[in-house]
Order: sequence, then structure tokens, then C-alpha cells
Amino acid sequence: DTGVSQDPRHKITKRGQNVTFRCDPISEHNRLYWYRQTLGQGPEFLTYFQNEAQLEKSRLLSDRFSAERPKGSFSTLEIQRTEQGDSAMYLCASSQESGGTYNEQFFGPGTRLTVL
Amino acid sequence: TQLLEQSPQFLSIQEGENLTVYCNSSSVFSSLQWYRQEPGEGPVLLVTVVTGGEVKKLKRLTFQFGDARKDSSLHITAAQPGDTGLYLCAGGVWAGNMLTFGGGTRLMVKP
Repeated sequence: DTGVSQDPRHKITKRGQNVTFRCDPISEHNRLYWYRQTLGQGPEFLTYFQNEAQLEKSRLLSDRFSAERPKGSFSTLEIQRTEQGDSAMYLCASSQESGGTYNEQFFGPGTRLTVL
Repeated sequence: TQLLEQSPQFLSIQEGENLTVYCNSSSVFSSLQWYRQEPGEGPVLLVTVVTGGEVKKLKRLTFQFGDARKDSSLHITAAQPGDTGLYLCAGGVWAGNMLTFGGGTRLMVKP
């Protein structure tokens, strides 16, 4: 299977704890995106990388959130001092720069975070 | 801020019926993508439309991009229970950046 993978699929944590999620993109894709999806809503953009460079961050990405893509391959998303409002599905997507006017993003299965 | 509004939010129909889902915005998008999402899973890409007025067909699904590239529709003919899921439209402004998603249409097809 060469799709986007995410780990863990589910995470339950207590308020105030730190959590880290991992995303492995499709191997030849140089762009990687993080989105957050709350129940009954569409995904909302958090941040994206081209290779190892973080090029854009949403205002949703508070200073408790940090994302890295150190070698331009996998990425991690860390949430420090989790709050109950952080409970959501965290989705990772990847795409390949094609030089065209659009890019198709392919999503992983997501990590469901529950903060108690 | 670009917004995409989907309608209806919920749709419950009988097997064999036809349906149309709409995705509207006041902003122009360079591309629009439709995804389907199952509970507890990530969205799965169905189609990408990029040209104003473009129509694409995927078996019983027909996707259309508005002439002004501000809106799109998804039409399903003779819906089947396997079509049940959350349908999401997502617009892109240029090649590299984020997608803006609509709120989704939750479809249930009853046998």
C-alpha cells in the first residue's frame, strides 16, 4: 500500500498532556498538509510543507501546536498542554508539485484525538 | 476569506432515486475537488475539475464546475446504499496551497 499513513489512529489523553502524531506521505510527494476536522464539519487547514520547509500556517495553529518535516519525508504534529477543544480528527494529506494550476491532495486515514 | 457552502447538509433517500449536491462560493477557485468520507476515515478523492463549465462523469456520478469557477454540483443517478457517506467539496486557489472545504453533505441511501 503506497497511500498516506498516519499513526496512531486513535489517541486518548488527559487535559494538559502533550501528544505527537506522525504522518508518512505518498513516497514521491513533496508537499504535505495537516488539517483538522471536528464532528459534523469539513476539514480546516492547519499548515503545509514543501519538502522540509513549512510554507504556510493557519491562524488556527496556536503556539501550542508545532509541526515538523525534518528530512522532507514524514511529518510530526505536536500539541502541547492539550485542551478539550483540541479533540478532533487530525488529517494529513500529500501532493506532488506538477507545475500546473492545481494539485490533488490525497488524505490519510486520520488520527482521532480525544482529550478528557 | 474564501468560503464554500454545501447544500443540502443532510439527505436521506431511497435506493434508485437521483440526487444533486451543490457547492457554492462567492470566490473564484482554480480547481475544485470532490471527496467522499466514511465515518472514522480520511476523505477519498473522487474527482478534480479545473475548467469553467467542465463536466466529468464517474460511473453514476456527474460533476460540473460552474462557468465562473465559483460553484460546482455533484449529481448521482440511481443512488445505491454503497453511495452512503459524507460528500465534501474543496476549492484550491493555486497549485500549492491549502484546500478550502465545504461543510459537507451527509447522504444516506436506504435499501
